[in-house]
Amino acid sequence: KAGVTQTPRYLIKTRGQQVTLSCSPISGHRSVSWYQQTPGQGLQFLFEYFSETQRNKGNFPGRFSGRQFSNSRSEMNVSTLELGDSALYLCASSWDRVGNTEAFFGQGTRLTVV
Amino acid sequence: KNEVEQSPQNLTAQEGEFITINCSYSVGISALHWLQQHPGGGIVSLFMLSSGKKKHGRLIATINIQEKHSSLHITASHPRDSAVYICAASQDGNKLVFGAGTILRVKS
Repeated sequence: KAGVTQTPRYLIKTRGQQVTLSCSPISGHRSVSWYQQTPGQGLQFLFEYFSETQRNKGNFPGRFSGRQFSNSRSEMNVSTLELGDSALYLCASSWDRVGNTEAFFGQGTRLTVV
Repeated sequence: KNEVEQSPQNLTAQEGEFITINCSYSVGISALHWLQQHPGGGIVSLFMLSSGKKKHGRLIATINIQEKHSSLHITASHPRDSAVYICAASQDGNKLVFGAGTILRVKS
C-alpha cells in the first residue's frame, strides 16, 4: 500500500511569487491535514480537508489556502511568498476525522524563499 | 503556556539505557500521538492512544487521562533510536497540536 506522497520534495522560490504543493493521501483516506514546521515555531497546524471541504483552519494569514479534490488529493497554495514562509510543509492523511484515527505523514516539501 | 508541553528538550543516553520522555497537555483531546522524526524531515507515527498503555517492540506509551499526562518509554535503547520524538494532541477532528519535541541521542 503506497504511503502519503508529497511533491515536490524541494522548492526554491523568490519573494512575492506563489507556490503550490501537492499531497496524495493513502488510498481510501479521506482526511488530509497540512502542517508547517520551522525551527522557531515548531510544527503548526495549517488546515484540514475532508470530503473536499475545509473542516478546520489554523492561525495563518489568508495567503495560505488549500483545496481537496474528489480523489482526496490535496493542494496547498501560498501566495505572495515571504522569507518567513521558508519551512518544511508536511501533510498527513487519515481514514476519517473522528480524531482518534492514526495520522500518516508524507516526507514533506522543503520550501526555501529567497 | 503551550497547550502541549514535552520534557526533556534534549536527552543523551548510553546504548542499553531505559529512556522516558514526558508529555503534558492542558486541553481536551480525543487522542494523544507519539511521533518520530529523523533528519530529512519524514515523520512516522509510533502510537496513538486515548487510554491505558500500548507496546510495540521496545517502545511503550502510556497515558493518564485524569492527570493529562503521557509518557513514551524506550527499553534497551540503541543508536538507531536517535531521532526527534514529538507528542501531539488530537483536537477538533484531525487537528494536531504539537509539543516542541525531544531530541534524543543514543551513544554506543
